[in-house]
Amino acid sequence: SAVISQKPSRDICQRGTSLTIQCQVDSQVTMMFWYRQQPGQSLTLIATANQGSEATYESGFVIDKFPISRPNLTFSTLTVSNMSPEDSSIYLCSVEDWNSGSSYNEQFFGPGTRLTVL
Amino acid sequence: AQKVTQAQTEISVVEKEDVTLDCVYETRDTTYYLFWYKQPPSGELVFLIRRNSFDEQNEISGRYSWNFQKSTSSFNFTITASQVVDSAVYFCALSASGSARQLTFGSGTQLTVLP
Repeated sequence: SAVISQKPSRDICQRGTSLTIQCQVDSQVTMMFWYRQQPGQSLTLIATANQGSEATYESGFVIDKFPISRPNLTFSTLTVSNMSPEDSSIYLCSVEDWNSGSSYNEQFFGPGTRLTVL
Repeated sequence: AQKVTQAQTEISVVEKEDVTLDCVYETRDTTYYLFWYKQPPSGELVFLIRRNSFDEQNEISGRYSWNFQKSTSSFNFTITASQVVDSAVYFCALSASGSARQLTFGSGTQLTVLP
C-alpha cells in the first residue's frame, strides 16, 4: 500500500493569508483526494485531484478558495486561500491504491495537516 | 444521496469489556462498499475493513468482528476484550462507486477504554 506524507504537519496562520499543503506519495497513483475534518467533526471530501486537468470539486467547495495542483502521479498540493478562523481544520490527503492484503483498491490517508487560523 | 449514521457519539468502557459500535447507512445503489476506519489521537486514519454489498458474511479479525446486515442497513463493529490502545475515533464510511473513491463518512464514535 502507498505511503503518504504531508507537509506541513501543522501550522498556525493569520486571517487573510494563504497556506499551501503538500502531499507526496511513494508510488504512482491514479486517484488522489483532499478531505477536510473540522474540529470534532467527520471527514468531508473537498475535491478529487486530477493529474493533468482541473480538480473536481464537491458541492460547497470552489477552486478560488481551495486551488489544487496535481503535476504528476505522486504529488499534489492544496491551497487554503484567504483564510478565516472557520478554515481551522485537519486537511487530509488520500490516495486510492492496491491493497495486497484485501486484493482490492483501497483508500489510504496521509497523516493530515492541522491548521489553526487566528 | 448517501448517508452514514453513527448514533453513538462517545462510548466509554473498562478494559477487557466488549464494545459494539453501530453504523447505519442509506443508499439507493445496489452495489456499494462499506468501510471502517480508526483515527487514534495522533490523527492518521487507519483502514480496518471493507465489505461489499454482495457479501453479507460476518468477518472476524483477531479481537475485531463486523456484522453486516442488509435487511437493517447496518454494519456494526465489535471489539472483544477491549484494550486501552483501542481508544480512538472510529468512522464508518460508504462508497457507492466501484472502488473506494468518494467516501461518505459517518460522524464518528469516540471510544475511550479505561484501564
